Amino acid sequence: DSGVTQTPKHLITATGQRVTLRCSPRSGDLSVYWYQQSLDQGLQFLIQYYNGEERAKGNILERFSAQQFPDLHSELNLSSLELGDSALYFCASSLRAREGLNEQYFGPGTRLTVT
Amino acid sequence: AQTVTQSQPEMSVQEAETVTLSCTYDTSESDYYLFWYKQPPSRQMILVIRQEAYKQQNATENRFSVNFQKAAKSFSLKISDSQLGDAAMYFCAYRSPTGANSKLTFGKGITLSVRP
Repeated sequence: DSGVTQTPKHLITATGQRVTLRCSPRSGDLSVYWYQQSLDQGLQFLIQYYNGEERAKGNILERFSAQQFPDLHSELNLSSLELGDSALYFCASSLRAREGLNEQYFGPGTRLTVT
Repeated sequence: AQTVTQSQPEMSVQEAETVTLSCTYDTSESDYYLFWYKQPPSRQMILVIRQEAYKQQNATENRFSVNFQKAAKSFSLKISDSQLGDAAMYFCAYRSPTGANSKLTFGKGITLSVRP
């Protein structure tokens, strides 16, 4: 158990809908990362937050957004869902934003299926 | 931008034998971090081993060790005394030490099967 929790574990929804994925980082970790794992794209970085502020953006679609709350949990919002958004979404956390070895610990993921 | 290449999509090893998984990367940075993650059928991403580029000594974690060749930009993972529980997908990953972000850049992964 990495200490990172993600809910829900599974999500099935229809095209055009909007969903919210939730992540709670390890106790004491200030940085949260979101990754998407799909068959065709592999594991890709989406976005990073550090202590409530957005730090970096990767290959995140405009239909997707995220935020990190004062209690440090994070939510990833996916809207106008398409079939191609079906994937495993991981949240990872680390203590700091960048300096040092700063290992990232992954949550169990949320499997999103868009039908 | 950094890239990570895992050219072997699948490998197989006999239980108790040794296997080496290959990874190469491309970067213009002189300092960085490299990782191997394991993803078993449960899909959980588990950190196996890490290497700081400024360290010449290869990292070792029990049965797992790396062969880090900085000049060749190669970072292979050696699994000794393979066990059935080692069967999983293995991802090589790169991270910059500083800069605008500290995201992980992953290779496409390699599926390792262990024969009893």
